[in-house]
Amino acid sequence: AQSVSQHNHHVILSEAASLELGCNYSYGGTVNLFWYVQYPGQHLQLLLKYFSGDPLVKGIKGFEAEFIKSKFSFNLRKPSVQWSDTAEYFCAVRKNGGGNKLTFGTGTQLKVEL
Amino acid sequence: NAGVTQTPKFQVLKTGQSMTLQCAQDMNHEYMSWYRQDPGMGLRLIHYSVGAGITDQGEVPNGYNVSRSTTEDFPLRLLSAAPSQTSVYFCASSYDRYGYTFGSGTRLTVV
Repeated sequence: AQSVSQHNHHVILSEAASLELGCNYSYGGTVNLFWYVQYPGQHLQLLLKYFSGDPLVKGIKGFEAEFIKSKFSFNLRKPSVQWSDTAEYFCAVRKNGGGNKLTFGTGTQLKVEL
Repeated sequence: NAGVTQTPKFQVLKTGQSMTLQCAQDMNHEYMSWYRQDPGMGLRLIHYSVGAGITDQGEVPNGYNVSRSTTEDFPLRLLSAAPSQTSVYFCASSYDRYGYTFGSGTRLTVV
């Protein structure tokens, strides 16, 4: 079965620190990859997505992610976090031909301290 | 353009009661899904639909029913609520493979 792993469950950073959140998936076929963010008390919002082409994807709010096919990874990065980035981050994978279903990781809770 | 609208936002049920969580989208999206979100478990797919009249089970379908009589609506029915169904439920819709738009969620407590 396809699975998505986010190994960092809780991350605490100071403002201006750099961020990298890990995401690995287990499916070997063609996949589309997503990162969603959920701010406290809100619904999920799309940060960025990868379908094909340049493996370095830039999203909103200064986030980027790199698809490394050989490592089945799609890590999220931000050079300098802000207090307002405090949220939960979810990696998700869509398998081509899978009925447009998304499989989510368990999420990473990020807290940015002033 | 309201996007994906879920009602109610909060609900408390007694064990054994039934209810329907409503989801409506005004974007003419073909794909719609229901997820439940539990601490430490991320979002898990309950049921999904690829178009009006077509539904299928996701990862955790037991205890839930869905129907898709129109493109706009995708209600989720709890037939006999159990405490294990206490969760936050999200409905989502998509035009194609380019990512889902999520509703604001329904927080359900079963006592």
